[in-house]
Amino acid sequence: QQPVQSPQAVILREGEDAVINCSSSKALYSVHWYRQKHGEAPVFLMILLKGGEQKGHEKISASFNEKKQQSSLYLTASQLSYSGTYFCGSGGVNTGFQKLVFGTGTRLLVSP
Amino acid sequence: GAGVSQSPRYKVAKRGQDVALRCDPISGHVSLFWYQQALGQGPEFLTYFQNEAQLDKSGLPSDRFFAERPEGSVSTLKIQRTQQEDSAVYLCASSSQGLNTEAFFGQGTRLTVV
Repeated sequence: QQPVQSPQAVILREGEDAVINCSSSKALYSVHWYRQKHGEAPVFLMILLKGGEQKGHEKISASFNEKKQQSSLYLTASQLSYSGTYFCGSGGVNTGFQKLVFGTGTRLLVSP
Repeated sequence: GAGVSQSPRYKVAKRGQDVALRCDPISGHVSLFWYQQALGQGPEFLTYFQNEAQLDKSGLPSDRFFAERPEGSVSTLKIQRTQQEDSAVYLCASSSQGLNTEAFFGQGTRLTVV
């Protein structure tokens, strides 16, 4: 079952904040976040492995609530370079490898 | 190489034609994955290799799809008797060994079946 992301799309002005949510109907053991710009390869942002874990890189951070089977990506003081489509990917615990089931995607547009 | 390289970048095939898509993973990466991405959708898992062994091919949509990685490095995804519904971007990704490690994606091959 594919994780559902919300919102489907968001438009921000540079400097504004955004939150992207990822919800799964199946248990989440790990959550991987990627950003993909049009016509380009998905680029890794971060992996969250434990329930309740939070990670961050510069002004992008994420949380993982294992019990609620949800993860959220937080973009603070957005930059033009943040524009793209964000995908969460759910990883299995016993697959032994990175068989990710990607979410529905969230399109983010940051304007000047 | 510096990153995952895929070729060709674009491929137009007539319905019924066979195609072969190539992936050069990052040198030394044990794991290699193929994903299919339809327009406006997220990537969907097709198959996984660990070195030369194909450990999971559960995502291949039909027996017209075949993937190999004979020497544990370069991989080829072959689609026989292409159909219009095969039109998509085919992404290859590689990662070092280990669960929950970062995957590096190639730019993909955009296949259009006419």
